[in-house]
Amino acid sequence: GESVGLHLPTLSVQEGDNSIINCAYSNSASDYFIWYKQESGKGPQFIIDIRSNMDKRQGQRVTVLLNKTVKHLSLQIAATQPGDSAVYFCAENNSGYSTLTFGKGTMLLVSP
Amino acid sequence: DSGVTQTPKHLITATGQRVTLRCSPRSGDLSVYWYQQSLDQGLQFLIQYYNGEERAKGNILERFSAQQFPDLHSELNLSSLELGDSALYFCASSGTTYEQYFGPGTRLTVT
Repeated sequence: GESVGLHLPTLSVQEGDNSIINCAYSNSASDYFIWYKQESGKGPQFIIDIRSNMDKRQGQRVTVLLNKTVKHLSLQIAATQPGDSAVYFCAENNSGYSTLTFGKGTMLLVSP
Repeated sequence: DSGVTQTPKHLITATGQRVTLRCSPRSGDLSVYWYQQSLDQGLQFLIQYYNGEERAKGNILERFSAQQFPDLHSELNLSSLELGDSALYFCASSGTTYEQYFGPGTRLTVT
């Protein structure tokens, strides 16, 4: 499928390394955040979410950290695998509204 | 598989033409969202429908319109197409949470 990340920031890691993808969000009123993964030629896929009353949430091999003071979100992927290669988007929501605002995305490239 | 379906998968048309993109949400989801994704613009929110009614509007051009039908499927109509409209168009749906489930997208190429 065609790449959607030709002009995106890129993070290149070796298989087995831990990856950290960062996102700065814009709206201090946002209280819900999601990380999506988009593989080439596919639609975005939900990875993990976090509400603003938390600063950390863990899933399977993934951890999301939220720093509301500096409006920063990060996604940590443990033991990164070639199948993790994709574009990763953060999205924010203000619970007063039903829509998500997406960040620009980061391309993660994992080499064997 | 998210449960959201979109047709067609690919669409090639000429400038000035009109096309219709179709989306079926996940079973039970009342909200449908449309997004445009181009190489340099990321995911741009276009419009949201909830149970047949327009709920929110984003960066949708006046040449574009959408609707949601009683069976909850949605259509996005793009008219007077320009070269710059070439992009991936995604539909997403959601239920009672803010989490959106995305379809596989329609790739539109305007020549």
